[in-house]
Order: sequence, then C-alpha cells, then structure tokens
Amino acid sequence: GDSVTQMEGPVTLSEEACLTINCTYTATGYPSLFWYVQYPGEGLQLLLKATKADDKGSNKGFEATYRKETTSFHLEKGSVQVSDSAVYFCALPDPSNTGKLIFGQGTTLQVKP
Amino acid sequence: NAGVTQTPKFRVLKTGQSMTLLCAQDMNHEYMYWYRQDPGMGLRLIHYSVGEGTTAKGEVPDGYNVSRLKKQNFLLGLESAAPSQTSVYFCASSYPVRGAWGTDTQYFGPGTRLTVL
Repeated sequence: GDSVTQMEGPVTLSEEACLTINCTYTATGYPSLFWYVQYPGEGLQLLLKATKADDKGSNKGFEATYRKETTSFHLEKGSVQVSDSAVYFCALPDPSNTGKLIFGQGTTLQVKP
Repeated sequence: NAGVTQTPKFRVLKTGQSMTLLCAQDMNHEYMYWYRQDPGMGLRLIHYSVGEGTTAKGEVPDGYNVSRLKKQNFLLGLESAAPSQTSVYFCASSYPVRGAWGTDTQYFGPGTRLTVL
C-alpha cells in the first residue's frame, strides 16, 4: 500500500544552518504531497504542498520539490531560525478518496541559538 | 473564524471512567477526523467522518466511539477509559476539492491532553 518514510530525528542544528529533511514515498500514481509542521504544544498545520510532479511548494522560507523519478519530497531551508524548532510531517492522500492522509513518523528539529 | 476547536484542553480520568471529547469547526468542512499522538508512534487515525451522520473506523478504533450528528461537530467517546488511552488527541477537518481529489488541506485543532490513571 501507499506509504511515507521520513528520516529519523531528532535533528539538531545551529541557527542559520541549512536544513534538509528527507521524505520518500510509495504510491500508486502521482498523488499530492504535503509537509505539515507541529510547533510545541500546538496542532499540525500545513506548511507547503505540491500537487503534481516537478512542482515546488514553498512557504516561510521552506521549499520542497516533487520528484517522481526518485519518489521524494525533501524539505529544505537555507537558514533555520530558533523559531523553526518543531516536528515536521511528510504526508500523502490515502487512495480511498476519503480525505484521509498517510503521515510519516515525523522528524523533530531543534535549532539552537 | 475560530477554525477547529477542541474541548477540553486537558483531562485526567481514572481507569473505567467515561468521557466525551468535543470537536467543532466553523469552516463548513465535509470531512472530520480524530487522531491520537503518542511518543514514537506519530499520528494514528482513530475514526473519521465524510459527512453529517456518517462515521468510519480508522487505524486504531478499539475503545472509542464517535458521532457526527451535526456537520460542524465530531464527538469522540471513551466508554471505559484505560491507561493505554493516555495520549494527546487531535481533531482535524477538511473540505474535498471537487475535481482535484487529494489536494485538500487538513486543519487541526490544538489538541486535548488526556491522562488515564
């Protein structure tokens, strides 16, 4: 079945460092791909998405490109801030057409000043 | 718009007690979901609903019941709480985009932290 695999965390970086969080997927067809972020003590919120191959989603300085050749959707940011400390989830739609999402396990990012 | 709200924010139960978690959304969303989040387990879907009056089981439905009597509300019930149900519970909602299946965004509530002693 469809699935999402994320790199294990935690990831600890210094402020202004470059970030990459790897996400690969297995799916039938070419589904939309999502990154959600969960800040401490809060619910998840959409960070960015891409709805077709080669699309790039971007928001708040984060980017991810939908690569069908490598079935990947890696999250990148050129210069992280302490406020980016959060848990990041990669996701894709469940093929049941019920709006359900298949989430990765989440990657915790801690940014130190 | 308040978005997705959850009541209560925190709750402590004793084993065997019952309770209901309330989720409300004011975005006229068709679909609603209940998840639980546990350390090292990610998010797991408990139950979901694709419309008023309809519910379906998710990945971990045992020990929980749900009801969607009104479009804007989705209730999660624990009939006889167990320590294994200690978790953070999140409700979410979404609106399917006709003709663009799988592109809709899920909007999450702030969570309910439940401890069962």
